[in-house]
Amino acid sequence: DTAVSQTPKYLVTQMGNDKSIKCEQNLGHDTMYWYKQDSKKFLKIMFSYNNKELIINETVPNRFSPKSPDKAHLNLHINSLELGDSAVYFCASNRRPGQGSYEQYFGPGTRLTVT
Amino acid sequence: AQSVSQHNHHVILSEAASLELGCNYSYGGTVNLFWYVQYPGQHLQLLLKYFSGDPLVKGIKGFEAEFIKSKFSFNLRKPSVQWSDTAEYFCAVNTPLGGYQKVTFGTGTKLQVIP
Repeated sequence: DTAVSQTPKYLVTQMGNDKSIKCEQNLGHDTMYWYKQDSKKFLKIMFSYNNKELIINETVPNRFSPKSPDKAHLNLHINSLELGDSAVYFCASNRRPGQGSYEQYFGPGTRLTVT
Repeated sequence: AQSVSQHNHHVILSEAASLELGCNYSYGGTVNLFWYVQYPGQHLQLLLKYFSGDPLVKGIKGFEAEFIKSKFSFNLRKPSVQWSDTAEYFCAVNTPLGGYQKVTFGTGTKLQVIP
């Protein structure tokens, strides 16, 4: 009964490859996020979706493409992977304002290593 | 644009010492404030949150934080730390973004508690 789940947990791949990370939440939340955490633990928001609609798109290379097939899922596809993409990627979700407490619930993270 | 500053990047304390981690934000409107904790190798979890009302907020594991609006601050405190408090601590601010919200995280403070 995991609240926010991500797959895979670890991903090791070579430069130039294309890979996807999947995220699912069973909390009934409308809003989902992708964050990138670098080696210094700095947490940077990448994208936010609300009920399948993109609402935040920070300055992220267009090699990164999020896809939300429904409000419980937000996947991240990365094309032409580069060394600098190595990081831990966290998925998160929360309720919309006005729907009660809306702190973020985080997934366990996906550690991506590009060699 | 809003920003969140955590001035202490790395704090080392002995067990039973008192803790105060600083958090300042820049946003003139209504905010919601959070502290999250990330234990080694784990995802972020909510420690405490402030939405409205009493500016002194109590969270889990004996942590508390005080919202001082005039200082744009939301410092985290604990009177006596334990070795198990060793973790990365993130301050976060939610601000309105249309009908949604934007979450901005601070750069994090690494707390190391020495037995």
